[in-house]
Amino acid sequence: DGGITQSPKYLFRKEGQNVTLSCEQNLNHDAMYWYRQDPGQGLRLIYYSQIVNDFQKGDIAEGYSVSREKKESFPLTVTSAQKNPTAFYLCASSMGGGQGAFFGQGTRLTVV
Amino acid sequence: RKEVEQDPGPFNVPEGATVAFNCTYSNSASQSFFWYRQDCRKEPKLLMSVYSSGNEDGRFTAQLNRASQYISLLIRDSKLSDSATYLCVVTSGGSYIPTFGRGTSLIVHP
Repeated sequence: DGGITQSPKYLFRKEGQNVTLSCEQNLNHDAMYWYRQDPGQGLRLIYYSQIVNDFQKGDIAEGYSVSREKKESFPLTVTSAQKNPTAFYLCASSMGGGQGAFFGQGTRLTVV
Repeated sequence: RKEVEQDPGPFNVPEGATVAFNCTYSNSASQSFFWYRQDCRKEPKLLMSVYSSGNEDGRFTAQLNRASQYISLLIRDSKLSDSATYLCVVTSGGSYIPTFGRGTSLIVHP
């Protein structure tokens, strides 16, 4: 089945730790995105990538890092510098060029 | 001013009703427009694209008004299963980055 997969579904992190969220797609999409959603809020763009080995900061990139070494994969690292990391993280991909984006099931990160 | 604005609702309607949502966007150079549906604690799912000529998919009709910079979604014969949050999405810039509105909550009751 073609799709976009995020793992893990739930993640608990201690303060001061870095954690990496996985995002893999087999849709052959060029563009990939990471969004953050807080309760009752809209989606805010963290990072995006239009092509392998290239990525750009979104609106709230501070405290996050990404890599795009393969077309299929776009992992997000939440670093200890992110002041309020507890949120619902959503990864998406699209063909680019204004086509609709498709989402993974999301990762709920909680800092304990 | 936010790039994409929606009335958060909730819109509370009985089964069978017709309901309409509007969304305004600030960037006149925006290129693509979509409606997504998001169920509670789930990921957003693409509902439909929105074209200048308007488009329909079953009970759902979407319209784009570029002159006034708004898009609309009309749902006819509402079902209980239509209860969800509806997100307006606009892409802009050379990279066609999707920008999301905060969503409009719809509750369909028996």
